[in-house]
Amino acid sequence: DAKTTQPPSMDCAEGRAANLPCNHSTISGNEYVYWYRQIHSQGPQYIIHGLKNNETNEMASLIITEDRKSSTLILPHATLRDTAVYYCIVRGLGGTSYGKLTFGQGTILTVHP
Amino acid sequence: ETGVTQTPRHLVMGMTNKKSLKCEQHLGHNAMYWYKQSAKKPLELMFVYNFKEQTENNSVPSRFSPECPNSSHLFLHLHTLQPEDSALYLCASSQELAGGYEQYFGPGTRLTVT
Repeated sequence: DAKTTQPPSMDCAEGRAANLPCNHSTISGNEYVYWYRQIHSQGPQYIIHGLKNNETNEMASLIITEDRKSSTLILPHATLRDTAVYYCIVRGLGGTSYGKLTFGQGTILTVHP
Repeated sequence: ETGVTQTPRHLVMGMTNKKSLKCEQHLGHNAMYWYKQSAKKPLELMFVYNFKEQTENNSVPSRFSPECPNSSHLFLHLHTLQPEDSALYLCASSQELAGGYEQYFGPGTRLTVT
């Protein structure tokens, strides 16, 4: 599985867009990019995933570069409740890797008033 | 509410006790997972059940014994634990789509071993 690199921490002002980067330079053609977040002392929450096209849902947008070596999770209007650890995970489908999510250290996003 | 419930939410047990953690999902999913999250460490996958069959045991010590009687329920039986087993234990479920990586987590059981 491709390894991901995320900054350990980021700050964002409430109401502004939060842009969380993730590098995955060794990603292969059939691997997806997944984003989860974990608010303190709660279970992780699935946010969004994508393969090569940009994706948007009610929570966030995912921008994947054309070479797929990096991506950015965008929270368009961050609120205090978005303060959490954000995890970027790259996984391929099928084979014996079913369901095996590997969480790293993630990025601690702190949203300030 | 994610549709995944876990009980109890907090548990304190001695090293000689036997206890069980319970997870129930109300999402119609067919895969369930146990994760462990120790202080200051990333989440670690422990077990994967797909259609009630265990498909992954991530080198977990035998003092942790999972049980999946049906696709909606998952248990983690605990016996003769060590203090270093104190952690947040998380259950998750997924549908067999997109490789099972869109997982929905419960709130966790905070376990303290004394």
